[in-house]
Amino acid sequence: DTEVTQTPKHLVMGMTNKKSLKCEQHMGHRAMYWYKQKAKKPPELMFVYSYEKLSINESVPSRFSPECPNSSLLNLHLHALQPEDSALYLCASSQISQGGDTQYFGPGTRLTVL
Amino acid sequence: GENVEQHPSTLSVQEGDSAVIKCTYSDSASNYFPWYKQELGKRPQLIIDIRSNVGEKKDQRIAVTLNKTAKHFSLHITETQPEDSAVYFCAASGGKLIFGTGTRLQVFP
Repeated sequence: DTEVTQTPKHLVMGMTNKKSLKCEQHMGHRAMYWYKQKAKKPPELMFVYSYEKLSINESVPSRFSPECPNSSLLNLHLHALQPEDSALYLCASSQISQGGDTQYFGPGTRLTVL
Repeated sequence: GENVEQHPSTLSVQEGDSAVIKCTYSDSASNYFPWYKQELGKRPQLIIDIRSNVGEKKDQRIAVTLNKTAKHFSLHITETQPEDSAVYFCAASGGKLIFGTGTRLQVFP
């Protein structure tokens, strides 16, 4: 299996809702990433997990809460989001979290915050 | 901070022509340079990558060159086809992956 999967594909939520995005990979990768991508912009790194531990948090607001239950799964918990948080949320994985490792992206979750 | 500049932002070519996209990076510790293709509504997909100990790499119609002294690298697509139309992102990594701003390539039949 050489794919990263993400659910759901689309999510619409109100500013008071709590929701979660899920990401899964079965490539044995030990680094997993969350990116946010706005229209016509490059992916923007949010979080990096290395060996199930949070190694990078790019000063992301606390309304985004990542979780890595095991080496194959990565969640992003959402609470009290703002309309400007509407974007494509991409998960990626790589073998290790050092430079030089190819990152493979999931299909993304398109999030709309009303 | 680390930065990757990418040019041009848009590129229109006739089918069969070549396309060249150029990137410049700032972090001299960068040692890995992937290129991603992203079609509308789809995930970024790796199309080719190059590491700092190599100056050029080719895969069929796609080639990448790297000049570490000048800190720039380029993507070359030959014999372009309409299905090459997409947004292309360069990236540089010395730890974190830093993306360029993207190039929208349109190939007209």
